[in-house]
Amino acid sequence: QKEVEQNSGPLSVPEGAIASLNCTYSDRGSQSFFWYRQYSGKSPELIMFIYSNGDKEDGRFTAQLNKASQYVSLLIRDSQPSDSATYLCAVNSGTYKYIFGTGTRLKVLA
Amino acid sequence: DAGVTQSPTHLIKTRGQQVTLRCSPKSGHDTVSWYQQALGQGPQFIFQYYEEEERQRGNFPDRFSGHQFPNYSSELNVNALLLGDSALYLCASSLASKATALSLHFGNGTRLTVT
Repeated sequence: QKEVEQNSGPLSVPEGAIASLNCTYSDRGSQSFFWYRQYSGKSPELIMFIYSNGDKEDGRFTAQLNKASQYVSLLIRDSQPSDSATYLCAVNSGTYKYIFGTGTRLKVLA
Repeated sequence: DAGVTQSPTHLIKTRGQQVTLRCSPKSGHDTVSWYQQALGQGPQFIFQYYEEEERQRGNFPDRFSGHQFPNYSSELNVNALLLGDSALYLCASSLASKATALSLHFGNGTRLTVT
C-alpha cells in the first residue's frame, strides 16, 4: 500500500464546474496535509494546508480532512482553464520530510 | 526578494558519471531539502540540511550526498549515475523556526537526463 494515494486522472471538468480531487494516506500519525499545484515542466506551488478535521476555505479552494477515514480532498469551485495542472497531495507526520502522492492531472475544458 | 534558485536547469550525463546540482535558498531561509521527481511521479524526499548538517534522509542510496554551506546554499551530489537517476531534482527551502510546509518554497528544479 502506498503511503499517499491519488487517482492519476486525468480528471476532466467543464469550465465553471466544481473539481473534486481526493487523496488517502496510510499513516494514522500524520499531522499536516498539503495540496500543491504543478504546471507541466514547473515546480510545485503550495495551494492550501490543513491540520484539523473539517473544511478550510481559501477563495475558490476548499480543503477537507477526515482523519478517521484517512482522507483529504480539495475542491475547486468555478474551475477555470488556468486551473489545468497536476495536483499533488502531501502529508507530514511531524518529521522533516513530506510524503507526496503521484498527483492527479486536472483538465478544465473551455 | 529572490526565491529559490537552482542550477543548472538542464543536464545530460552518461551512466557512471558524477553530477553536482546547486541550490540557493530563498532570502531569509536557513533549511534546504532535496527531492527527486521522476516522470509521472510525486516528489520523493532525498534529504534535508540545516546548520550544515544532514538532518534527515529519505530512502536513497549513499550515492546521493549533499552539503550545505555557511551561506545556507546547498549542493546535491550523485555518484555512479544510473539510467534510473533521470528525473527532475527539486530544492525546497524553509525557515527552521517555522512549522511545516507553510514555509516550504520550491525552486524550478534541475532536469537530469542520464544516457
